[in-house]
Amino acid sequence: DQQVKQNSPSLSVQEGRISILNCDYTNSMFDYFLWYKKYPAEGPTFLISISSIKDKNEDGRFTVFLNKSAKHLSLHIVPSQPGDSAVYFCAASDPNTGKLIFGQGTTLQVKP
Amino acid sequence: NAGVTQTPKFQVLKTGQSMTLQCAQDMNHEYMSWYRQDPGMGLRLIHYSVGAGITDQGEVPNGYNVSRSTTEDFPLRLLSAAPSQTSVYFCASSRDGTETQYFGPGTRLLVL
Repeated sequence: DQQVKQNSPSLSVQEGRISILNCDYTNSMFDYFLWYKKYPAEGPTFLISISSIKDKNEDGRFTVFLNKSAKHLSLHIVPSQPGDSAVYFCAASDPNTGKLIFGQGTTLQVKP
Repeated sequence: NAGVTQTPKFQVLKTGQSMTLQCAQDMNHEYMSWYRQDPGMGLRLIHYSVGAGITDQGEVPNGYNVSRSTTEDFPLRLLSAAPSQTSVYFCASSRDGTETQYFGPGTRLLVL
């Protein structure tokens, strides 16, 4: 069973508009969440994270929102740029083991 | 710093062959891990290590062996390759398992 789910395999947005990538999780004990970005033929790179004691974390154009009651987090990219086109993985840290559990990924395409 | 390096970049194997995927990091990180990435499945943890001499299984360990004789190196061995092991393999490291993980560029493996 998938403990971290990204239900949208792909997303296409126009340059300059907002991109919203969603992620759901099932284990209410998860206390730390991360977003990774991956370009083709490269390894994933860390983008932004959020602790469960917060409901929002912002870094430049990237903002992550956490709704603990809904077990849902989202990544907002404003404004979207063509260079943001990549696969985005959501991940949760299991507090018991420290392991990262990843979602399936969402491919974002930002059109010029 | 080179960060996390992986070799080879690409490998073709026949069913039943064995091989070792190499991973090295120069950041003095204690925590290292191996993931495989398959379409629609995200990144799944194969094995991980919390320090030299200590390894443990992840979500999908069958068919893979690891060892950690030094802090820097964490090789992944396929003892008898199967077509189901066709995948992209990523090695990652972090100071400890709860912190941001840094990924290598990946090894693309094709088993015929």
